[in-house]
Amino acid sequence: EAEVAQSPRYKITEKSQAVAFWCDPISGHATLYWYRQILGQGPELLVQFQDESVVDDSQLPKDRFSAERLKGVDSTLKIQPAELGDSAMYLCASDRGILSGANVLTFGAGSRLTVL
Amino acid sequence: QKEVEQDPGPLSVPEGAIVSLNCTYSNSAFQYFMWYRQYSRKGPELLMYTYSSGNKEDGRFTAQVDKSSKYISLFIRDSQPSDSATYLCATKAAGNKLTFGGGTRVLVKP
Repeated sequence: EAEVAQSPRYKITEKSQAVAFWCDPISGHATLYWYRQILGQGPELLVQFQDESVVDDSQLPKDRFSAERLKGVDSTLKIQPAELGDSAMYLCASDRGILSGANVLTFGAGSRLTVL
Repeated sequence: QKEVEQDPGPLSVPEGAIVSLNCTYSNSAFQYFMWYRQYSRKGPELLMYTYSSGNKEDGRFTAQVDKSSKYISLFIRDSQPSDSATYLCATKAAGNKLTFGGGTRVLVKP
């Protein structure tokens, strides 16, 4: 079964350090999402890509977060500098990119970030 | 007020019982309704998807949507310990982003 790959699974860093997460979506999936899930809460969308273009980054804290999907395949989410409040699970998801109707997202296992 | 509200639980039931989960939402434009299951330290996985109002059944799982009340439900029959997880409801309007509830933690005791 096709999967969304994410790395690293776990990351511990000190505040003010830089951290990066990588995601490889299911082959052929045009749309890629990065979500942040704080413990005990539901996922919240940070950024959505359609191929290599950003569709929605309205909830991305752009002063410290950046995301790219240069070739429209895999993607990197970066945080610099990390703050204590960034401790969360960072989830990547992908779908075929159907613009209308239901987007059935497939999620990766996530990258759990702890900022000390 | 959040767009999608969900009781965080935890909801503890004995094995074999029916698990009843609910969400309410505020945006009448939402048309697509999903339930995701999330095991500890894993990503969410899609369980059920429904469009507009009505019921949908898949094995032990039944999803219900009442758009007039803005109320969505998930029922799990003959619950098993392997059903212990967090259940997330999610909804969206056509072309818009998926909005999740906060999740309900379920514990099925043997």
